[in-house]
Amino acid sequence: NAGVTQTPKFQVLKTGQSMTLQCAQDMNHNSMYWYRQDPGMGLRLIYYSASEGTTDKGEVPNGYNVSRLNKREFSLRLESAAPSQTSVYFCASMYVAGGVWTQYFGPGTRLLVL
Amino acid sequence: AQSVTQPDIHITVSEGASLELRCNYSYGATPYLFWYVQSPGQGLQLLLKYFSGDTLVQGIKGFEAEFKRSQSSFNLRKPSVHWSDAAEYFCAVGARRGFGNEKLTFGTGTRLTIIP
Repeated sequence: NAGVTQTPKFQVLKTGQSMTLQCAQDMNHNSMYWYRQDPGMGLRLIYYSASEGTTDKGEVPNGYNVSRLNKREFSLRLESAAPSQTSVYFCASMYVAGGVWTQYFGPGTRLLVL
Repeated sequence: AQSVTQPDIHITVSEGASLELRCNYSYGATPYLFWYVQSPGQGLQLLLKYFSGDTLVQGIKGFEAEFKRSQSSFNLRKPSVHWSDAAEYFCAVGARRGFGNEKLTFGTGTRLTIIP
C-alpha cells in the first residue's frame, strides 16, 4: 500500500515551458487535491476533485489545469511556467465516511522555474 | 469562507519543557479541525483531528488539542517535548458544506525549534 505517490520529486523548468505533475493514490479515495506550499504562506489549494470526472478551482487556480484521469490519478499541468510558480506542490487524497475526514499527503514535488 | 490564524511564526522550547501552539479559526458553525506536522523536506502527517464530541482530542506522538468554541481556538499541546518534535506545525479547518465539498483551509504554520 503506497498511499499517495507523486512524480517527479524535483524539477527545474525555464519560463514558458510546460510540464505535468503526476499524482496517484491506491486507497480508493474519492477526493483528491493539489496544494502549493510557499514560505510563510502555508498550504494553498489549487484545485480539487470530489470524484472521478469532476474538478473544481481552489484558492489559487490561475496558471494551472488539472485532469482527474480515473479514481486513482489526478494530474496538475502548468502550460506556460512562470517564476511565480516556483514552489513545493503537494497532492493529497481524502477519506470521507460517517462525517469523518482523513486527508493523506504525498511527499511533494519541488519545482524551480528560472 | 473559513480561515485559520496561527499567531506564532516561530517558537523555541527547551527539550523536556511543555509546549502549546496556538490556532484560531473563523467559521460560522462547528468546523472540522486538524493539526498536521511537517518535518524538513517531508510531506504532512496528521497529528490529530476534531469532528464532534469530547473537546479534548488525543493524537499521535503524545500530542493533544482542545477545541474551545467560545474562543474559536484549537490549541495543540504536549507536556514534554523531545528533540524529534522540531518541525513545522499546521492547523487546518474544514467547513461542513455537504458531500463533494470537503476542503481544508490551512494556517501559515508555526516552526518549532527545540534547544537542549
